[in-house]
Amino acid sequence: SQTIHQWPATLVQPVGSPLSLECTVEGTSNPNLYWYRQAAGRGLQLLFYSVGIGQISSEVPQNLSASRPQDRQFILSSKKLLLSDSGFYLCACNPGTDNIQYFGAGTRLSVL
Amino acid sequence: QQPVQSPQAVILREGEDAVINCSSSKALYSVHWYRQKHGEAPVFLMILLKGGEQKGHDKISASFNEKKQQSSLYLTASQLSYSGTYFCGTVRTGANNLFFGTGTRLTVIP
Repeated sequence: SQTIHQWPATLVQPVGSPLSLECTVEGTSNPNLYWYRQAAGRGLQLLFYSVGIGQISSEVPQNLSASRPQDRQFILSSKKLLLSDSGFYLCACNPGTDNIQYFGAGTRLSVL
Repeated sequence: QQPVQSPQAVILREGEDAVINCSSSKALYSVHWYRQKHGEAPVFLMILLKGGEQKGHDKISASFNEKKQQSSLYLTASQLSYSGTYFCGTVRTGANNLFFGTGTRLTVIP
């Protein structure tokens, strides 16, 4: 079965600083990968998804970007963080079975 | 395309039952249920496919009414460990993307 690694678990960044969150997947090949953001007490907002290397679809226009340089690596980036970027960022993997998504442990980002 | 869940929140005493509903305005191929404990990532519970049977997982089960585009999650004899936010996810017929509902916060108290 697949394992989704996310790091760091928590991150505190000043406004205007860059961001790079990494997600790697083990135990499956050619998965669909997703980045979600969750504000405190709220639902899951889909940010990006990828069906393969170099293929990124953006769901919400914002100052974030995503890249997939390798089959099992998905990176979320920002050049300049905003206060509104604070939240719980979750990477998810769909190994290809009935669109079931499995989540990593998440990164809690606070932008101050 | 986001499914609607009800209720938004529910508080139960241990041993009580609860039902969480999920509805969509679109024809559905499948419905997924996830549970997210406070501060943790969502965990997949079960999937219900069009034409499939009602599913069960210990004392948690779910049904899928294809004609009404609705699913219900049933929690029987609730335990403290059932506390968390429950999300449904839906996949439309002919599509590949999973859309998550707004979530239902379930709190079980002693």
